[in-house]
Amino acid sequence: QSVLTQPPSVSAAPGQKVTISCSGSSSNIGNNYVSWYQQLPGTAPKLLIYDNDRRPSGIPDRFSGSKSGTSATLGITGLQTGDEADYYCGTWDSSLSAVVFGGGTKLTVL
Amino acid sequence: QLQLEESGPGLVKPSETLSLTCTVSGGSISSSSYYWGWVRQPPGKDLEWIGSIYFTGSTSYNPSLRSRVAISVDTSKNQFSLKLNSVTAADTAVFYCTRRGIGGPEAFDFWGQGTMVTVS
Repeated sequence: QSVLTQPPSVSAAPGQKVTISCSGSSSNIGNNYVSWYQQLPGTAPKLLIYDNDRRPSGIPDRFSGSKSGTSATLGITGLQTGDEADYYCGTWDSSLSAVVFGGGTKLTVL
Repeated sequence: QLQLEESGPGLVKPSETLSLTCTVSGGSISSSSYYWGWVRQPPGKDLEWIGSIYFTGSTSYNPSLRSRVAISVDTSKNQFSLKLNSVTAADTAVFYCTRRGIGGPEAFDFWGQGTMVTVS
């Protein structure tokens, strides 16, 4: 059971928009920065979003992040088949004194 | 461009110690802006943070693994290492070495390609 809760899967058609939620508590998301990672099949995770809503250089603006209270959301617009991957949220948990991740969400682009 | 590369045995016997090293190239492990550490992922499962180390040697560990894990750093070789003792089949996973920013970005911005370790 992951500390952060994500939907196991989401799907949408090419060109459409999808959002992936990440729910936590005041000890993690509520008081710490959230990051998001994309893991393509057979590869290492890649940073997509850091500090809740900032994109590293090279990440297209189709990817966006937001946070409200104890939940965070990853948004992806203009879906492409190459976006099919597992997406993970992560943050620091002040009570556990540990980095925690969500259980991951598998995105299918139909 | 920064690169991280894991190395170590791909097969470890139950009850023995798993040892991995991460070699950092294209940047200094002695930077004051980053933690260096390990994340693992059992086959078909989720990411799990193992722990991190600062270049001074200060460490933080996942409470669930703290009794079995040790991370060390060798700044002269630009490397850091993981030791996980008393392994069982449940420790079988892909192990990634990572860099995590301090103060910004507070995220794992660089990852190694990962190395599969099987306990059997």
